[in-house]
Amino acid sequence: DAKTTQPNSMESNEEEPVHLPCNHSTISGTDYIHWYRQLPSQGPEYVIHGLTSNVNNRMASLAIAEDRKSSTLILHRATLRDAAVYYCILRENNAGNNRKLIWGLGTSLAVNP
Amino acid sequence: DSGVTQTPKHLITATGQRVTLRCSPRSGDLSVYWYQQSLDQGLQFLIQYYNGEERAKGNILERFSAQQFPDLHSELNLSSLELGDSALYFCASSAGTEETQYFGPGTRLLVL
Repeated sequence: DAKTTQPNSMESNEEEPVHLPCNHSTISGTDYIHWYRQLPSQGPEYVIHGLTSNVNNRMASLAIAEDRKSSTLILHRATLRDAAVYYCILRENNAGNNRKLIWGLGTSLAVNP
Repeated sequence: DSGVTQTPKHLITATGQRVTLRCSPRSGDLSVYWYQQSLDQGLQFLIQYYNGEERAKGNILERFSAQQFPDLHSELNLSSLELGDSALYFCASSAGTEETQYFGPGTRLLVL
């Protein structure tokens, strides 16, 4: 199973951009890169995902390296509500409906007011 | 609110006992996933069901079992409980061909 490596923790200031890195050097050609986050005392929630191209949505942007061995989740303006554990996950591209996600320990993001 | 519901929210029981955790997926979702989250091990995938059938198995112990019923709700049964089974248990659901998993609020299990 391909794995991801993330820093244990990061810190940011409110209203500033945050770049959360993820290494996945053993990623296979068809593995999708997913990001989820888990706010305190809640279940994980989906943030964004991509395959090869950079992706944007209302929550964040995902920048994927050309060789796909790393990616970066970008929060453009951090708010206090963005303090959470951010998980970078690879989804195995199995046929059918087998959507197993391989979770790491994530990055705990602290946002300072 | 993700639309996934889990009951109970909290459960306290003793070693050797058996408990059942329940999950109702989002309306229309066919896949249900169970995860265990403990402090030292992060989120561990246990098992996935799709439209009533088991589709993928992760690190699920033999003492644990799950099923998905015709109305698509799912139950996770944990038996012969040990202290180390104390954890948060999350259920997630997804539509049959979608990427995104939607997580419930979790059941916090404490085994004394």
